[in-house]
Amino acid sequence: AQTIHQWPVAEIKAVGSPLSLGCTIKGKSSPNLYWYWQATGGTLQQLFYSITVGQVESVVQLNLSASRPKDDQFILSTEKLLLSHSGFYLCAWSLDSSNERLFFGHGTKLSVL
Amino acid sequence: AQSVTQPDARVTVSEGASLQLRCKYSYSGTPYLFWYVQYPRQGLQLLLKYYSGDPVVQGVNGFEAEFIKSNSSFHLRKASVHWSDSAVYFCAVRGWWAGAKLTFGGGTRLTVRP
Repeated sequence: AQTIHQWPVAEIKAVGSPLSLGCTIKGKSSPNLYWYWQATGGTLQQLFYSITVGQVESVVQLNLSASRPKDDQFILSTEKLLLSHSGFYLCAWSLDSSNERLFFGHGTKLSVL
Repeated sequence: AQSVTQPDARVTVSEGASLQLRCKYSYSGTPYLFWYVQYPRQGLQLLLKYYSGDPVVQGVNGFEAEFIKSNSSFHLRKASVHWSDSAVYFCAVRGWWAGAKLTFGGGTRLTVRP
């Protein structure tokens, strides 16, 4: 069975500090990977997606970057956090671009102070 | 551009009552429509999806949704809610082609009173 794991579960960071959030998918080779962001009380916005190692497409510009260093790993990062980065970050995977079903991780709650 | 509107940010119902969560979408062409549920401190889980065929689709845990093209709506329903249904529900739309972006509505927080 496939599993998706996000880390950390929660982070409290200072404005201007760096950030790295991780996501790994086990049990599925070459998944499509996604990062979503949910502002407190807000809707989900797709940030990035990746269909293969080393290839990442940006959907929304939020002064964040993403990388896919390995087939099963997706990293979200920034060198300088803003207050507006606070929220809930969700990683998701799907079988391929034409598959309509997304499987979500449990998410990372980020508080920027 | 595609968009999804969930006009009710919060809905409160009593256990055993019927439920309808509203969803209106804007999309030119044939949409893929979804309902996802988010339980506290968890990621989203797919409840049901619709692309074609019978406009009433059945999902997990007794949920169903009806696609009404003339009204651009995809409302979620349940005949009798349980306290464990308390969660945030998201409606979403995407195109049918590979790589189409999934757009979510703002979500509806459902509280079921015991």
